[in-house]
Amino acid sequence: QSALTQPASVSGSPGQSITISCTGTSSDVGAYNYVSWYRQHPGKAPKLMIYDVSNRPSGVSNRFSGSKSGNTASLTISGLQAEDEADYYCGSYTSIVVFGTGTKVTVL
Amino acid sequence: EVQLVESGGGLVQPGGSLRLSCAASGFTFSNYWMSWVRQAPGKGLEWVANIKQDGSEKYYVDSVKGRFTISRDNAKNSLYLQMNSLRAEDTAVYYCARDSVTGANFDYWGQGTLVTVSS
Repeated sequence: QSALTQPASVSGSPGQSITISCTGTSSDVGAYNYVSWYRQHPGKAPKLMIYDVSNRPSGVSNRFSGSKSGNTASLTISGLQAEDEADYYCGSYTSIVVFGTGTKVTVL
Repeated sequence: EVQLVESGGGLVQPGGSLRLSCAASGFTFSNYWMSWVRQAPGKGLEWVANIKQDGSEKYYVDSVKGRFTISRDNAKNSLYLQMNSLRAEDTAVYYCARDSVTGANFDYWGQGTLVTVSS
């Protein structure tokens, strides 16, 4: 299984919205509504932010939203805040979970 | 509060062995699949292995098959990863993670333990 493709970096100013893409194939992202998104601050463990394409776990801000179209999933962060600066990984279920290449989000 | 605490990492020579442990609390451990996920320095996440609630099913990424063994002790609320024939490319932070009910994502993660394979 190959890693899903994400942009290496995305940046935005405080208050702006950004979108991170996650491109897979018809065997992973396109096959199931099981895309998840994780945020990872430097030196910390990943944290689940979105599951099953667009669902937020309890306690996750509604500034985070997810969607999917065909073989590409997206994570949108609205009202960008300094604490959002981190690495973000998508994941897709294919009988196992395959992760994306990761995107570094910078808040300008 | 769900907690996962890994231990057992360290420096090991190529070809050596190491056993990682993960102590779980705050949930009914025996009700969940559990996984190990690793992250090489400066790299992305890679799922390594998972194990069914009763230990009857185990799955591994191809690169560790035959070298790593995942196991669990539900009486001790603990997850393990026995790593043999270690290679430099196994160097990573190893995270213990709880599989969600659907098995399609990981809803809780430990803080990780660093394994360094080097001579």
